[in-house]
Formats: sequence, C-alpha cells, structure tokens
Amino acid sequence: SQTIHQWPATLVQPVGSPLSLECTVEGTSNPNLYWYRQAAGRGLQLLFYSVGIGQISSEVPQNLSASRPQDRQFILSSKKLLLSDSGFYLCAWSGMWDTEAFFGQGTRLTVV
Amino acid sequence: DAKTTQPPSMDCAEGRAANLPCNHSTISGNEYVYWYRQIHSQGPQYIIHGLKNNETNEMASLIITEDRKSSTLILPHATLRDTAVYYCIVRVGDSGYALNFGKGTSLLVTP
Repeated sequence: SQTIHQWPATLVQPVGSPLSLECTVEGTSNPNLYWYRQAAGRGLQLLFYSVGIGQISSEVPQNLSASRPQDRQFILSSKKLLLSDSGFYLCAWSGMWDTEAFFGQGTRLTVV
Repeated sequence: DAKTTQPPSMDCAEGRAANLPCNHSTISGNEYVYWYRQIHSQGPQYIIHGLKNNETNEMASLIITEDRKSSTLILPHATLRDTAVYYCIVRVGDSGYALNFGKGTSLLVTP
C-alpha cells in the first residue's frame, strides 16, 4: 500500500535561518506531489506542485522554493526564514489518473 | 477552477444527520465536486466526489443539484469524531491539477 512520510512533525527555527522539509512517498511511482501551507486561522494554500522529476510549478511567489530530486521525494526549502513563514506545512500526493489526494501528517513550523 | 461558497461554521447534535451545503454557481461541465475534511492538526482526508449523479460511500453521501450549481454533503449519523473543517472543492478531474482549498465549514458535533 502507498504511504507518505513527512518530517519533522514540529520545528522551531530562528528568523534568517535556512529550512529544509522533506516528503517521501512509498508504494507508487510517478506521483503528483504537492506542498501546502496553512497559516494560523486560515485555509490551506497551495504552494508548489510537481508532475515529475525536476518539474515544479509555483502557485504563490514567496520566500520558499521546492525541488524534486527523485521520483518520490519532494523538498521544501528556504534560504532565510521570515516570521511570516510560520505555519502548518503539508505534503500530499496523487496518482497520475487518480482523483483523490493523500496528505501527510504535516510539519508545524514556528519561526521565532 | 470554479470558486465555492460554504458557511463558515455549523453545529450538529451527535447521532443526527449533518448537512453541509456548498454553492458553486460557476462550475463548468468538466469539473467535479470534491469534499475533504481536516481534523485539527492533521492532514486533510478525502471524503467523496461526484460529477452530476448523487454519490454514496461508507463515510457520506453527496447530493448534487440538477443544474450542478450547488451540492450538499450528508453525514448520516454524525459522531463527535466528525468534528472537523469540511472543504468543498471543484476541479477538473484529470491528472496534474492541484486542489484549491477555501476556508471550508467548521462543523462542531455536540453530545
């Protein structure tokens, strides 16, 4: 069966520090991969999605970037975190022809 | 993707049916209606989706109006564990399209 792993579960980082969140999917190949963010009291916002290795689409210009170095690995990065980067970050995947997306358990990031 | 409108919050007594409405008046012919829910501090969970016919699964029923401009998610016997934010999303059903979540409806199931 397919599983999605996202880590760490919680993270506290100082302003100006770098960020790297990793997401991996097991049990499937060539998934569509997504990064979402949920700021406190707000809805889910799509940040990036990828339909293949090295193919990244950005939905919102911001202080973050994404990379897909391997088929089932999706990384969210920042060179210098801002206070406004705090939030709940969720990775998700869907199959090529699937209509359902599966979400990881999320990383709660607090920038201090 | 078409925009959706949902009430910000609803209450439901445990054991009763929860009927969550969603308006999507600008939906186009190839867009599906999806429902997800998010329990606090967890990732969203898929519930159900449909195009024009009513759908039912082990979690819920989805009723789509004939003109497809609105739909209702029905939880037939709500439990305390159904307390969550419910998102109605419309999107084209094929690959590569991401989900655009709105603010959803916060459903509180009370004892």
